[in-house]
Formats: sequence, structure tokens, C-alpha cells
Amino acid sequence: AQKITQTQPGMFVQEKEAVTLDCTYDTSDPSYGLFWYKQPSSGEMIFLIYQGSYDQQNATEGRYSLNFQKARKSANLVISASQLGDSAMYFCAMREGVYNFNKFYFGSGTKLNVKP
Amino acid sequence: DTEVTQTPKHLVMGMTNKKSLKCEQHMGHRAMYWYKQKAKKPPELMFVYSYEKLSINESVPSRFSPECPNSSLLNLHLHALQPEDSALYLCASSQEWGPQETQYFGPGTRLLVL
Repeated sequence: AQKITQTQPGMFVQEKEAVTLDCTYDTSDPSYGLFWYKQPSSGEMIFLIYQGSYDQQNATEGRYSLNFQKARKSANLVISASQLGDSAMYFCAMREGVYNFNKFYFGSGTKLNVKP
Repeated sequence: DTEVTQTPKHLVMGMTNKKSLKCEQHMGHRAMYWYKQKAKKPPELMFVYSYEKLSINESVPSRFSPECPNSSLLNLHLHALQPEDSALYLCASSQEWGPQETQYFGPGTRLLVL
């Protein structure tokens, strides 16, 4: 089974509107972290937001928020008031366990296009 | 300052060449990573260094040789590469290990093997 699933290969959103990018995960480890990264066409992976498995509240960072539904094993990224500069590939990632360097799983990504 | 730098930005090499990719971070991070990313795919982990020692080698061919000269620097030595090795090579670092540790990535080196 895939550890991280992103079911939306591509999405369009109108500028200034909100958009939700879906991410589901699979783990039996009680301790894990969930991350979202943005990758513009330039290639750099930009860290956006983090949610820990024990965090009680949803993470927020500026226009980014993470809708964490633990029972459903979902960690959707919400971008409010989309901007043209938000057009990029977005990756959801998970790190599970402790002292496990290589257990950092990426989803297949969602390509977001923001229309003017 | 969450900055990881990588040089060069672009590299074109022949299959008989030897070249090196460099990565540097000054955040005091103790774990550093090399990833390979093909177009429209997620990054794939290649190597992990922890406290300057190689912790993980994800069955990477020996034509890729990592080196960690000190806690701030990470190199990837390339020799006798194949055209299928053409990709974006990303370096990352994190403070420690554990599920809460964020990895910060550099801008990457775009490698073309002819």
C-alpha cells in the first residue's frame, strides 16, 4: 500500500479563491509527521507547513492551513486567497517513527495552476 | 535562516567524465540528504548522513559516491554516469531525526548526461 496518496494530478483555481489539495496517508506508527512542500518550475522544494500526529490543533502558516483528520488519515492543504505565484507542484510527505532517517515518504504531487 | 545552497545549478557531462555536486548548510543541522528527482515525479532518497557518517544508502549504484567533509558540507561525486541518470539532484538537511524534523531543501542541480 502507498504511504502517501495524492489523488489530484492537476488542479485549476481562480486567483483570490481558496483551494484544497488532498492528501491521505497510511501508517500504523502512532508517532508521525506530515509535511507539505511547494515546488515551482525552478525546482526548489519549499517547506510550507507541518502537522504532528499528536498535535491537537490544525497547523496554520499564513495563507496555508492543514486540515488534519486523524481518524480518516487525511492531511489536506488549504490555500486561501490564491495568488498567481502559487502555481507550482505541491507534494505531501510523511515521516514516521523515531530514529528512522529513511522513512520520509512523498506523494506523487498535485500540479496547481492559478488562473488570473 | 533556512538556507541550503547547491552548486552548480546546471551540469552537462559526458559518460566518461568525473564531476562533483556540492551542498552547504549553515543552520547547524546534523542530518543531510541527497535526493534524485525525475521530471513530474517525487524526489527519491539516495543517501542520508547523520553526524557526518553515512547512515542510509538506498541501493544507489557505485557511480554515485557521497562524501561529507564536515557538518556543513555534502558532496556527491559522479563518475561514468548513464543518460538515465539525468535528473534534478536535491540536497536537504534537518536538525535531527524523528518525525517532527523538517527537511529543508536546496535549489537543486539539474544534471544532463550525454
